[in-house]
Amino acid sequence: ELKVEQNPLFLSMQEGKNYTIYCNYSTTSDRLYWYRQDPGKSLESLFVLLSNGAVKQEGRLMASLDTKARLSTLHITAAVHDLSATYFCAVDRIQGAQKLVFGQGTRLTINP
Amino acid sequence: EAQVTQNPRYLITVTGKKLTVTCSQNMNHEYMSWYRQDPGLGLRQIYYSMNVEVTDKGDVPEGYKVSRKEKRNFPLILESPSPNQTSLYFCASSLRLGWRELFFGEGSRLTVL
Repeated sequence: ELKVEQNPLFLSMQEGKNYTIYCNYSTTSDRLYWYRQDPGKSLESLFVLLSNGAVKQEGRLMASLDTKARLSTLHITAAVHDLSATYFCAVDRIQGAQKLVFGQGTRLTINP
Repeated sequence: EAQVTQNPRYLITVTGKKLTVTCSQNMNHEYMSWYRQDPGLGLRQIYYSMNVEVTDKGDVPEGYKVSRKEKRNFPLILESPSPNQTSLYFCASSLRLGWRELFFGEGSRLTVL
């Protein structure tokens, strides 16, 4: 059974600091997604990582994928208040039943 | 505008009263899916559909039904709702699974008393 775990689940940090959110998954997959959810809102796609070693960057966010370690990271550089949200990673399970499994989410609060 | 539309957005109902949450997408997507979101549990998949007339169970299908008679619509049916189905529900679609990201609807907050 595919399990996806994020760490940490809650993160409070100050503006200007750097931090990393980790996403581990339990079985082989070549596709990993990062989503952002603002309070009371829907999910917005941030990154799609399709192969080992993939790295994508958008503004102060950078995501990477290591399929051998079954690990993805979402790195936040010089955080600003607008990045406060809940971040989810999700992994495809393509073999057998085709499903997308989400992590529990990381609630990020950035304080001025 | 490309979108996934859910209705209703908010609903309070009572135990046992059948209800349907509609989902419609205008992007000609093959793949559609329903998720429920509960605090501390992330999103859990209820049912998904790879194409018209092709549906399958996700991880938490008990108490739910779906149908996919048309490509654009994927309604979620609660035949006899119970309080443990109180949750925030999201419909999502993609051209096909694994083809880039899912597009999500705005969510439907359901309360079962």
